[in-house]
Amino acid sequence: EDQVTQSPEALRLQEGESSSLNCSYTVSGLRGLFWYRQDPGKGPEFLFTLYSAGEEKEKERLKATLTKKESFLHITAPKPEDSATYLCAVQTGGNKLVFGAGTILRVKS
Amino acid sequence: DVKVTQSSRYLVKRTGEKVFLECVQDMDHENMFWYRQDPGLGLRLIYFSYDVKMKEKGDIPEGYSVSREKKERFSLILESASTNQTSMYLCASSLLWEQFFGPGTRLTVL
Repeated sequence: EDQVTQSPEALRLQEGESSSLNCSYTVSGLRGLFWYRQDPGKGPEFLFTLYSAGEEKEKERLKATLTKKESFLHITAPKPEDSATYLCAVQTGGNKLVFGAGTILRVKS
Repeated sequence: DVKVTQSSRYLVKRTGEKVFLECVQDMDHENMFWYRQDPGLGLRLIYFSYDVKMKEKGDIPEGYSVSREKKERFSLILESASTNQTSMYLCASSLLWEQFFGPGTRLTVL
């Protein structure tokens, strides 16, 4: 059974304190790994897609990387506005995504 | 920009009522999805559709049905609402792999 596990469940950072979120997966055949950001009471907002091990994508203070077993979302010098829940999802067969439970990030000024 | 809209942001219904949640996308996407999101469980797929009048069960279809009469519209139906269907419901659409989500409907069943 395809599984996605995100850690930690929650993370509190001081403004400017860099860190990483982890997404580990066990799937029968990875076609893509997706990162989303979700603000309270809103739908997830697409951030990145990664397709193969070694691939990296960047957007402002966020950088996503992919290995054969996990993905990391690195947050460099975070600001309070980066506070959100970050969701990871994997695509195996077809167009279905399997989501992790998410990491709740709080950045304090 | 892709826009996915959902008919209600908040909805309160009583046990046993029939509930309709509507989703509309404006980007001519073939694929549409309904998820529910519960704390600690992440997003779970209820139903999805690859084309008009076509539907497939997701991971938790029990107690739900769907309708897709037009390409841009995908409706989720709770035939007889129960308290364990209280949740956040999210609709998404996609052309290829990336799914784009609506703002969600928070449904409370009393």
